Amino acid sequence: DGGITQSPKYLFRKEGQNVTLSCEQNLNHDAMYWYRQDPGQGLRLIYYSQIVNDFQKGDIAEGYSVSREKKESFPLTVTSAQKNPTAFYLCASSLLGGGYTFGSGTRLTVV
Amino acid sequence: AQTVTQSQPEMSVQEAETVTLSCTYDTSESDYYLFWYKQPPSRQMILVIRQEAYKQQNATENRFSVNFQKAAKSFSLKISDSQLGDAAMYFCAYRSNFGNEKLTFGTGTRLTIIP
Repeated sequence: DGGITQSPKYLFRKEGQNVTLSCEQNLNHDAMYWYRQDPGQGLRLIYYSQIVNDFQKGDIAEGYSVSREKKESFPLTVTSAQKNPTAFYLCASSLLGGGYTFGSGTRLTVV
Repeated sequence: AQTVTQSQPEMSVQEAETVTLSCTYDTSESDYYLFWYKQPPSRQMILVIRQEAYKQQNATENRFSVNFQKAAKSFSLKISDSQLGDAAMYFCAYRSNFGNEKLTFGTGTRLTIIP
């Protein structure tokens, strides 16, 4: 079955540490996205990519980095520069002009 | 930049009754898409219904329907015959039909179903 897979489901980060969240899709979708979800704030866009080797900043890109070396993969790195990383992170993909498919999310907690 | 506003943080409805969730948006564009997504406790985002701005007819999916008022920039979701499984966070979202494909979300409405 085609779908989008995020891993891990839960992730713990120590202060000053970089961590990488994985997002893989086998839907042959062109575009991929990372959103952050905090209570009371809905989903906010971190980064998105519409084609391999190209990506754009979203509304809250500071402290995050991404890469898009393969069509199927769009990993998100939460760097030590992100001062408040505890949140729920959702990855999504879409065909250009089509609907979104979301992953099941990663819960990141700073310990 | 486009914005999406959901002014009802929480709503509740008796099982089998009808409830309407509100959404307004701001845009200068004429061609766009509007969506309602459901997020149950599992946190999986599920597409409920989609509306294309150039279509005057309101979208309907079984018990779910929208009231799309383009001039007023309003996009409300009506859930008929509410069921316990409808309990979730509901997000309204906007996507331009020009340029990038990113979705802009509202802050969500938590819907509780009262048995």
